[in-house]
Amino acid sequence: GNSVTQMEGPVTLSEEAFLTINCTYTATGYPSLFWYVQYPGEGLQLLLKATKADDKGSNKGFEATYRKETTSFHLEKGSVQVSDSAVYFCALSAFNTNAGKSTFGDGTTLTVKP
Amino acid sequence: NAGVTQTPKFQVLKTGQSMTLQCAQDMNHEYMSWYRQDPGMGLRLIHYSVGAGITDQGEVPNGYNVSRSTTEDFPLRLLSAAPSQTSVYFCASSDGQSSYNEQFFGPGTRLTVL
Repeated sequence: GNSVTQMEGPVTLSEEAFLTINCTYTATGYPSLFWYVQYPGEGLQLLLKATKADDKGSNKGFEATYRKETTSFHLEKGSVQVSDSAVYFCALSAFNTNAGKSTFGDGTTLTVKP
Repeated sequence: NAGVTQTPKFQVLKTGQSMTLQCAQDMNHEYMSWYRQDPGMGLRLIHYSVGAGITDQGEVPNGYNVSRSTTEDFPLRLLSAAPSQTSVYFCASSDGQSSYNEQFFGPGTRLTVL
């Protein structure tokens, strides 16, 4: 079956540090890949996505590139801010299925200190 | 648009009680899903629906029932609550039948079963 493995947290960084959160996946075919962010007390919201190999998703300074050869979709940001403190989820939606059946990673908690 | 709404935000039940978690969306999305979020376990799919009158089981359906009489509403019923159902529950919706489409999440219901 499909699975998503995320870098274990929690991750604590100082403001302006570089962020990488690793995500690898197992799926048949060509899934779509997503990063969602969950701020404290809220539901998940889409951060970025990529739907085919070598696509780069980007939003709010975050980037992730769909690497089929390594089955990875690592999240990066060059300079984090305190406001980026949240839980980040990597997810996949298998080809020819609806995103409503997405598979999620366990989430990585990021804390950014001033 | 209100997006995806969920009620209640918080609920405490005693073992054996029943209740319904409400979910509604105003985006005319065909697909709706229920997830539970437990510490260190990411999001797990409980039930999902591909349209009014059509539902199916996800990864952890036991102890939960759903129905979908309208496009807008997708209630989740706990027939006889157990402490193992203590969790945060998220409803989500997505548009169309493509794996490319992201999900839109509600704010969640935090349920405690004593």
